[in-house]
Amino acid sequence: AQKVTQAQTEISVVEKEDVTLDCVYETRDTTYYLFWYKQPPSGELVFLIRRNSFDEQNEISGRYSWNFQKSTSSFNFTITASQVVDSAVYFCALSEVGNQFYFGTGTSLTVIP
Amino acid sequence: NAGVTQTPKFRILKIGQSMTLQCTQDMNHNYMYWYRQDPGMGLKLIYYSVGAGITDKGEVPNGYNVSRSTTEDFPLRLELAAPSQTSVYFCASSHRDGLGEQYFGPGTRLTVT
Repeated sequence: AQKVTQAQTEISVVEKEDVTLDCVYETRDTTYYLFWYKQPPSGELVFLIRRNSFDEQNEISGRYSWNFQKSTSSFNFTITASQVVDSAVYFCALSEVGNQFYFGTGTSLTVIP
Repeated sequence: NAGVTQTPKFRILKIGQSMTLQCTQDMNHNYMYWYRQDPGMGLKLIYYSVGAGITDKGEVPNGYNVSRSTTEDFPLRLELAAPSQTSVYFCASSHRDGLGEQYFGPGTRLTVT
């Protein structure tokens, strides 16, 4: 079974629209971390956010915001007023105690000018 | 700081050949990781290391070997290359206990034919 599920394979939005990328995870650990990474067309992986399992506060960073809900095992990522530079593949990842990292299959976001 | 560097950037191997993918970090991180990324998929952890002299298997270790003789270097060895090992390989490092942000190298694109 997938530890991290990103059900949206590809999303296209028009510039300035808001978009939410979904992430559902599965773990039996009580201590774990969740991450979002961005992979632009150039191929490198860029860290966006880390969240630990004890902190369910939503976080906002500029146009980015994250909604962590343990009750539904979800860690969704919203981009407000999307821009062309947001076009990339976005990965959600789970880290459990024991240094095992699990990445989702990614959501490819295309922002159309 | 150069961060995490990987060599080579690209390589084509024939079936049965061997090679070593190099990874070096200059951030004095204890934790280092090797991932592979198949087309349209997320990253899968191959091996990781929590410090010099200590390595452990990730999710997909078969066909690979690693060593960690120094804090800086974490080479990945492919023995008897197979077409199933065609992938993009990413090395990463982390300053924390494995639950911290990972810094990724630019990747090595390997084709086995």
